Amino acid sequence: KAGVTQTPRYLIKTRGQQVTLSCSPISGHRSVSWYQQTPGQGLQFLFEYFSETQRNKGNFPGRFSGRQFSNSRSEMNVSTLELGDSALYLCASRPSTGNYGYTFGSGTRLTVV
Amino acid sequence: GQQLNQSPQSMFIQEGEDVSMNCTSSSIFNTWLWYKQDPGEGPVLLIALYKAGELTSNGRLTAQFGITRKDSFLNISASIPSDVGIYFCAESGGSNYKLTFGKGTLLTVNP
Repeated sequence: KAGVTQTPRYLIKTRGQQVTLSCSPISGHRSVSWYQQTPGQGLQFLFEYFSETQRNKGNFPGRFSGRQFSNSRSEMNVSTLELGDSALYLCASRPSTGNYGYTFGSGTRLTVV
Repeated sequence: GQQLNQSPQSMFIQEGEDVSMNCTSSSIFNTWLWYKQDPGEGPVLLIALYKAGELTSNGRLTAQFGITRKDSFLNISASIPSDVGIYFCAESGGSNYKLTFGKGTLLTVNP
């Protein structure tokens, strides 16, 4: 069974640009979550999607947005990039029912210069 | 919001030693999760705990859900070099559909 796949693995962008990150969950998982990881703030929740609906959103500015497609694949977008957006962005998926075992992808390392 | 206090922040041990780390919270939790993260990778779920007092093992790893539902610990026995990494506790937030993580414990094992 393939794991959670995130693309690209590494990305370098310039301040002011926008970026789109992609996540393909484990087959059959309909819940997809996004997290930002930085040395200073640790792992912070961005948002969670289920069946194309956002069910929860973390405390991030509106520049951070996401969506989920009918095949459960998800994208997140960050507009008007700032230096502080440099981070490891992690996607996680989990089954609709049963245990709470979120499975994480390897992440996208975003560097804003 | 909920905050998880994880300690210690870092540990440097010799191969073969046992390790213990813990998490506490001011809130009552329904689920405790323990993850390990290797450099450049995403966290990997080690153990999930679902009820107070539950003690669960996964190889050399043992974790317990505190009876007050406000704490959990993770023990690693007979550590080996591949145990190196950052260990995180997390709670699943019930119906909030999100994980709240502790700040992590950086474990270094000296061969």
